[in-house]
Amino acid sequence: EAQVTQNPRYLITVTGKKLTVTCSQNMNHEYMSWYRQDPGLGLRQIYYSMNVEVTDKGDVPEGYKVSRKEKRNFPLILESPSPNQTSLYFCASSLSGTAINYGYTFGSGTRLTVV
Amino acid sequence: GESVGLHLPTLSVQEGDNSIINCAYSNSASDYFIWYKQESGKGPQFIIDIRSNMDKRQGQRVTVLLNKTVKHLSLQIAATQPGDSAVYFCAGRGSGYSTLTFGKGTMLLVSP
Repeated sequence: EAQVTQNPRYLITVTGKKLTVTCSQNMNHEYMSWYRQDPGLGLRQIYYSMNVEVTDKGDVPEGYKVSRKEKRNFPLILESPSPNQTSLYFCASSLSGTAINYGYTFGSGTRLTVV
Repeated sequence: GESVGLHLPTLSVQEGDNSIINCAYSNSASDYFIWYKQESGKGPQFIIDIRSNMDKRQGQRVTVLLNKTVKHLSLQIAATQPGDSAVYFCAGRGSGYSTLTFGKGTMLLVSP
């Protein structure tokens, strides 16, 4: 089944403890992206990647890192999480960033709580 | 860039009614739009798309209308069912080389 898989689905952590949220897609998509979703603010883009070894900042990149060493994986790294990073996170992928034909495919989300 | 917004945060309808969810955009160069549905606890899912050279596109029980003059698009859901209860997002692409920008979402509540 074609899908975007995120892990974990739920995570509670403490301030300052490094964490990684994994994202993997099995559709050979070139484009991958991370979003956070907060009440009243909608989906905000954190980072995106047009292809392997190519990453760019989105609208809210502060406090996050990403890497794209291989096509299928795009992990989101929080080096020193803070409570304001408590949010619902989504990974998305597409054949290309321009999204023509069916837009982006989203993962099921990771709900992160930083205490 | 692209600014995409929705007119109403919540829309409540009765089962069997037709629902209309609206979206405005700011970039007149936007050339591609998508409507997504997000059910509770899930990621957004593609519903229907429309390119800027069209003003209407129909799917199964859904129709998207695009009015480029006033930079507005709408999603119409016919014979709304309880399973249609979800948050609906519009997304727009600013140009052929840019990525999608998402609106904040409208929650559709369908009561039996």
